Amino acid sequence: QVQLVESGGGLVKPGGSLRLSCAASGFSFSDYYMSWIRQAPGKGLEWVSYISSGGGLIYYADSLKGRFTISRDNAKNSLYLQMNSLRGEDTAVYYCARCTSGRDAFDFWGQGTMVTVSS
Amino acid sequence: SYVLTQPPSVSVAPGQTARITCGGNNIGSKSVHWYQQKPGQAPVMVVYDDSDRPSGIPERFSGSNSGNTATLTISRVEAGDEADYYCQVWDSNSDHWVFGGGTKLTVL
Repeated sequence: QVQLVESGGGLVKPGGSLRLSCAASGFSFSDYYMSWIRQAPGKGLEWVSYISSGGGLIYYADSLKGRFTISRDNAKNSLYLQMNSLRGEDTAVYYCARCTSGRDAFDFWGQGTMVTVSS
Repeated sequence: SYVLTQPPSVSVAPGQTARITCGGNNIGSKSVHWYQQKPGQAPVMVVYDDSDRPSGIPERFSGSNSGNTATLTISRVEAGDEADYYCQVWDSNSDHWVFGGGTKLTVL
């Protein structure tokens, strides 16, 4: 069955960096577009970034202003999110999600990894 | 950027029908997707492409979309349906994926 397992979250000081990972299994990872979506404590869902199956097409939410970088390693069935210059408003649970074949929705989600930005 | 508007809360008695709306400018021209999120859990897709159900989702969950409003309908509501529900679309103008603010469904 499809499994997505995020890791790499934790406590980081403002201005610091973190790299999140998402290990995929149970499907042909290299055939699917993937996304990162986050949820601040007590708040709603916010799409963060999207990457095509081969990695050549990438989009980011405007709020990130170039601080985050999405990437993938199809040989390792893994998705990544490099987060730099972290701010308090980046505190959230970060989910990786598989995009549907139509690429406009998310059919499977991981359990999420918590990122806390605080001094 | 495209905005989706949901009511913050909806309440319904067990066995009744719950309707959760999602408003957006000419949303009827887009494909709308719905997710259920229970406390402490990841979201789960319950309706995609306006009205289709993923495998394993009960037929009690259905969707419609027309004009400026999309609706998720849950028939014969059960206690286990209590959750937050989010609508979502892809905005082709910005190549961004947009979520509504979420609706908390309370089963009385």
